[in-house]
Amino acid sequence: GENVEQHPSTLSVQEGDSAVIKCTYSDSASNYFPWYKQELGKGPQLIIDIRSNVGEKKDQRIAVTLNKTAKHFSLHITETQPEDSAVYFCAASKGGSYIPTFGRGTSLIVHP
Amino acid sequence: ETGVTQSPTHLIKTRGQQVTLRCSSQSGHNTVSWYQQALGQGPQFIFQYYREEENGRGNFPPRFSGLQFPNYSSELNVNALLLGDSALYLCASSLVHSGELFFGEGSRLTVL
Repeated sequence: GENVEQHPSTLSVQEGDSAVIKCTYSDSASNYFPWYKQELGKGPQLIIDIRSNVGEKKDQRIAVTLNKTAKHFSLHITETQPEDSAVYFCAASKGGSYIPTFGRGTSLIVHP
Repeated sequence: ETGVTQSPTHLIKTRGQQVTLRCSSQSGHNTVSWYQQALGQGPQFIFQYYREEENGRGNFPPRFSGLQFPNYSSELNVNALLLGDSALYLCASSLVHSGELFFGEGSRLTVL
């Protein structure tokens, strides 16, 4: 089955800095890669996703890149703010069932 | 539009007991999935239901079972509880063949 590795497990930055979280996947058939943000006491919420026919996608301060050859994808957050502090999960899935395999999460801490 | 709601939010059981967790899907969603999230880990897929039938199952034993009702609400049942079943149980609803999952805030189960 699919295996998703996520790094780092903890990331501490100053407000205004950029943050990068990296994930690798094992199943070359995976073609949908969502990123979820989980705030304390809440369920995960989708923040951005990318499909395998696209190399990069941006949404305001958030961007995701995908390298299908190397089987890795990354989340980039620019101009970080304290409200960005949360746990971020990457995931990989195949079209059809879209049942994702999640990474272990990255705890992002943004210091004011 | 009503989001995904789960009940109860917290519960404590002892080993060997049985538990039922409930989930109401987001309005208009016909697919519901259940995930187990251990502390410091990413969500692990338990199973998915579509049109009241199981549509996919993760690596969980048969003592984890579920139901989906005609109104798309769902139950997760766990029999013969073990200490290792202590976790946050997340319900997510979606449209079939759509990658985006809408999560509830979860039910925190503690097994003593």
